[in-house]
Amino acid sequence: EAGVVQSPRYKIIEKKQPVAFWCNPISGHNTLYWYLQNLGQGPELLIRYENEEAVDDSQLPKDRFSAERLKGVDSTLKIQPAELGDSAVYLCASSQGQGAPFSYNEQFFGPGTRLTVL
Amino acid sequence: AQSVTQLGSHVSVSEGALVLLRCNYSSSVPPYLFWYVQYPNQGLQLLLKYTSAATLVKGINGFEAEFKKSETSFHLTKPSAHMSDAAEYFCAVSPFSGGYNKLIFGAGTRLAVHP
Repeated sequence: EAGVVQSPRYKIIEKKQPVAFWCNPISGHNTLYWYLQNLGQGPELLIRYENEEAVDDSQLPKDRFSAERLKGVDSTLKIQPAELGDSAVYLCASSQGQGAPFSYNEQFFGPGTRLTVL
Repeated sequence: AQSVTQLGSHVSVSEGALVLLRCNYSSSVPPYLFWYVQYPNQGLQLLLKYTSAATLVKGINGFEAEFKKSETSFHLTKPSAHMSDAAEYFCAVSPFSGGYNKLIFGAGTRLAVHP
């Protein structure tokens, strides 16, 4: 079974340029997450989708970041314009949809996209 | 607010020695707790999880962790380190709310294993 696929794996851009990351979740997983992982830190949630609906985007810097999940499968995260401080690893994860109350749905992570902004 | 503190950003052990990675959590409700491992240039992989069943949890690759409510701890251990255990380890807490397992991660501990 294929895992979470992300592309590109590495991206180097100059500041003020736009950049986009793509994620293909595990087949059948309704929930998709984008995380930001700064160097030396743990991942932090940026946005969570249930199918095509963004249900938690409270940590997404909406002035320059945007995301979409058309048709409830693949997702794209965009930064425009990129700043030096955006250099980080962007992780995508997916899980099965919300189950019964107090159930747990394991999140499966992709390899990430390492962004370097010069 | 829920949080996770991992004591020691770097831990170095000899091959065959005990591995102990420390994690303390803060949560206003009984949490779910997790340990993830991240190998270089790879995504995070779940090692083990505590979801209010047995307090001693066994995971993959010989790792285990014990939930201690009185100490608000969930330390990760392995009796004998292998070279292949060298990686970054993240403790995470899920401040469970209405069926959504939001994960809050610690800063990570990088484990080095030397011959």
